[in-house]
Amino acid sequence: SQQGEEDPQALSIQEGENATMNCSYKTSINNLQWYRQNSGRGLVHLILIRSNEREKHSGRLRVTLDTSKKSSSLLITASRAADTASYFCDSGGSNYKLTFGKGTLLTVNP
Amino acid sequence: DTEVTQTPKHLVMGMTNKKSLKCEQHMGHRAMYWYKQKAKKPPELMFVYSYEKLSINESVPSRFSPECPNSSLLNLHLHALQPEDSALYLCASSPWLPHYLLAGGRDTQYFGPGTRLTVL
Repeated sequence: SQQGEEDPQALSIQEGENATMNCSYKTSINNLQWYRQNSGRGLVHLILIRSNEREKHSGRLRVTLDTSKKSSSLLITASRAADTASYFCDSGGSNYKLTFGKGTLLTVNP
Repeated sequence: DTEVTQTPKHLVMGMTNKKSLKCEQHMGHRAMYWYKQKAKKPPELMFVYSYEKLSINESVPSRFSPECPNSSLLNLHLHALQPEDSALYLCASSPWLPHYLLAGGRDTQYFGPGTRLTVL
């Protein structure tokens, strides 16, 4: 059974706007990570946040983690058309098994 | 070189054919993975190799046969597939650093671009 669930399932914004997507999970975690997948391609690791961290930044990405609410959010600032992709969170905690929800499909319109 | 390569990019095969998917990495990673992804679904783990030995088989049908000839190569042999096996097959690799887990980290997986398989 899947551990995490991303929402919204789909998000459409204009270039330059910020995009926020959320991930909720069921059981306690040591860390949570986000991956991006461009259409029909492999996944790319974006960022990992540990359970003792509340916020982490990487370039235009900002990830927050609220362990009390069992949720995380991914913010992409100043979005670009190239950010169009599906975004998945993995909170499964296994070293070998990534456990994704259905993902958020982000469309950034030029 | 931080790339995982997969060949072929596309493959069409009949149900009686035998074919193989190939995956290669030169990052010195000691774990390699096969995933299957159907349209509009997340990737699902099929197999994990660590140190060239099969560590995990997620109850995959025997018509899929993995092979790890060396630490850089991973193959997936296909035989007598069904049309419902049509999917994107993704390969990934990771360093496999158990000590990193103790610090609350994860073994980041690096994915190849995938092979789009169609079974007729």
